[in-house]
Amino acid sequence: DTEVTQTPKHLVMGMTNKKSLKCEQHMGHRAMYWYKQKAKKPPELMFVYSYEKLSINESVPSRFSPECPNSSLLNLHLHALQPEDSALYLCASSQPWGSEAFFGQGTRLTVV
Amino acid sequence: QQQVKQSPQSLIVQKGGISIINCAYENTAFDYFPWYQQFPGKGPALLIAIRPDVSEKKEGRFTISFNKSAKQFSLHIMDSQPGDSATYFCAATKRHYGGSQGNLIFGKGTKLSVKP
Repeated sequence: DTEVTQTPKHLVMGMTNKKSLKCEQHMGHRAMYWYKQKAKKPPELMFVYSYEKLSINESVPSRFSPECPNSSLLNLHLHALQPEDSALYLCASSQPWGSEAFFGQGTRLTVV
Repeated sequence: QQQVKQSPQSLIVQKGGISIINCAYENTAFDYFPWYQQFPGKGPALLIAIRPDVSEKKEGRFTISFNKSAKQFSLHIMDSQPGDSATYFCAATKRHYGGSQGNLIFGKGTKLSVKP
C-alpha cells in the first residue's frame, strides 16, 4: 500500500479561523513532509519531520504550525491565514534517508 | 547550486508519438532523480526514478535516460496516449543515511498534451 491520505480534500476558511489539515500514512515511513503548491508551480517544501522530530522548517510563517503526533500522522494547524495562502497543500512521506517519496492527493485550501 | 532546470515548459504530441522532457542539474551531490506525474487537482504521483549508477531505466512506456557527465536526465514516454496528458515534474535529491533529512528539489514542470 503506497497511500498517503489527506483530509479534508477541500477547505474554505476565513482569515480569523483556526483549522487543521491531517495526513496519515501506513507505509512505515519515518519522514513526513508538508508542501505548498500554487497553480502552475512545482511543490514548495514547508516542513520535514524525521523520526517524529521537526528537522526542516523552510522559513514558513508562524501562522502555519506543524505537528507530528506519531510516526503515521502529520497535522498542519492553520491560524490567521491570508488570501495569498490559498493553495494546494500536499503531504508526503518517505524513509528518512531519502528515497521514494509518496504524495497524498492534497487539500485545496481557499482563504477568504 | 540547488536548481533543477526543466524543459520544455509545455509539449504537444500526437497520439502514438514520443514525448521527451529534459532536466539538468548543477549539484553533483544529488544521487536520486525521480519523475512525478500530476493531474489537475491531484497530488504528484511517483512515476519512475533513477540513481546515477545506471544510464537508463525503463518501466513500461516510460524510460529515464541519465547522463552523469553532462548532469542531465530525461523522461521518454513511448506511444504517448491522451491519458498521459498531465504535468510532469523532474526532481533531484541527495540521500542521507543516519543524518538530517534531505528534500526534493523540483523542476518547474512540463505540461504535456497528447492529441488524439
